[in-house]
Amino acid sequence: GESVGLHLPTLSVQEGDNSIINCAYSNSASDYFIWYKQESGKGPQFIIDIRSNMDKRQGQRVTVLLNKTVKHLSLQIAATQPGDSAVYFCAENRGYSTLTFGKGTMLLVSP
Amino acid sequence: GAVVSQHPSRVICKSGTSVKIECRSLDFQATTMFWYRQFPKQSLMLMATSNEGSKATYEQGVEKDKFLINHASLTLSTLTVTSAHPEDSSFYICSARDPRTGGNRETQYFGPGTRLLVL
Repeated sequence: GESVGLHLPTLSVQEGDNSIINCAYSNSASDYFIWYKQESGKGPQFIIDIRSNMDKRQGQRVTVLLNKTVKHLSLQIAATQPGDSAVYFCAENRGYSTLTFGKGTMLLVSP
Repeated sequence: GAVVSQHPSRVICKSGTSVKIECRSLDFQATTMFWYRQFPKQSLMLMATSNEGSKATYEQGVEKDKFLINHASLTLSTLTVTSAHPEDSSFYICSARDPRTGGNRETQYFGPGTRLLVL
């Protein structure tokens, strides 16, 4: 049977599609947010960050949106590629305190 | 960019032995490093914050006598798992805060992780 916590939410997309990964954060005092990508057996890799005084920030093929009203963060990946397949974590930070990671979403990109 | 390395990448040990994992910041000095633990298909859980020249700060529920942390220089922190048991088997990841980012931002750069298997 299934065990709680052993199944990551999974997003399956076709190569070339746009992907949207969502994250709900917990602390309304958090003022800095980061998205990390983690490939199997590797450490997390920084993708993009955003401060709480912004609603949107764009990078190369990635966009992060922040909605402080509902404490929601999203990562949009344009023209998703097989190399984007990984687990994506959002993390929140308050001042100089430690990072709190979300549960993660597995992105599977089919050729 | 900031590079963090870990050594070893993988270790297998017998129950009851101690294992040391090293975390190094290669191109910057890190006054603060962090140690995380990650079980399969789960998120990263912070174990402790390692501060250069002072004692580590452990998260609630993490045994400080079992997970010894030493941050003796600005580029090296070590995590020693003492008297390891099979339940300590996990993926251990360190990160370092890059002070060059400034302001009140905290950009942490992660090492590649160490897979520990205790038999």
